[in-house]
Amino acid sequence: DSGVTQTPKHLITATGQRVTLRCSPRSGDLSVYWYQQSLDQGLQFLIQYYNGEERAKGNILERFSAQQFPDLHSELNLSSLELGDSALYFCASSTRQLETQYFGPGTRLLVL
Amino acid sequence: DQQVKQNSPSLSVQEGRISILNCDYTNSMFDYFLWYKKYPAEGPTFLISISSIKDKNEDGRFTVFLNKSAKHLSLHIVPSQPGDSAVYFCAASYGGATNKLIFGTGTLLAVQP
Repeated sequence: DSGVTQTPKHLITATGQRVTLRCSPRSGDLSVYWYQQSLDQGLQFLIQYYNGEERAKGNILERFSAQQFPDLHSELNLSSLELGDSALYFCASSTRQLETQYFGPGTRLLVL
Repeated sequence: DQQVKQNSPSLSVQEGRISILNCDYTNSMFDYFLWYKKYPAEGPTFLISISSIKDKNEDGRFTVFLNKSAKHLSLHIVPSQPGDSAVYFCAASYGGATNKLIFGTGTLLAVQP
């Protein structure tokens, strides 16, 4: 158990819908990262927050957004969902920006 | 553009023998490298890391070797155990103001009893 929690574990929704994925980092970790793992793309970095501020963006679609709240939990919002958004979404956290990242169990999203 | 490559999708090894997983990278700006293990339906689990100022790091049965001139790193597992069967990802980061990880596509290791 890495100490990073993600909810929900599974999510099934329809095209065009909007969903919110939630991540609670390890106790004391200030930095949160979101990654997407799809079948043909491997693990891809989406976005990083550090102590509430966005620090880095990867190949995150404009339909996707994220935020980190004062209690340091983070949410990833996915809107106007498409079939191709079906993937595993992982959250990771680290104590500071350059420390080892620890991953949560992931949220499996299926868009029908 | 795949900056981190794991060219072997799978590897099969006998229990007790050495497992060697390989990873190549193209970006000379990477300064920190990590290996993660992943079981089905779970998140990646951190195994071992190495800074670009070192060429070897050891932790129990796991050793990572870094060859900067060849832009190559490898993970050695000795002795291999059936519980080591999983997908292994290597990852690299630039450090600096962010720590985003660039992952390879993974190698599925099967350790046969």
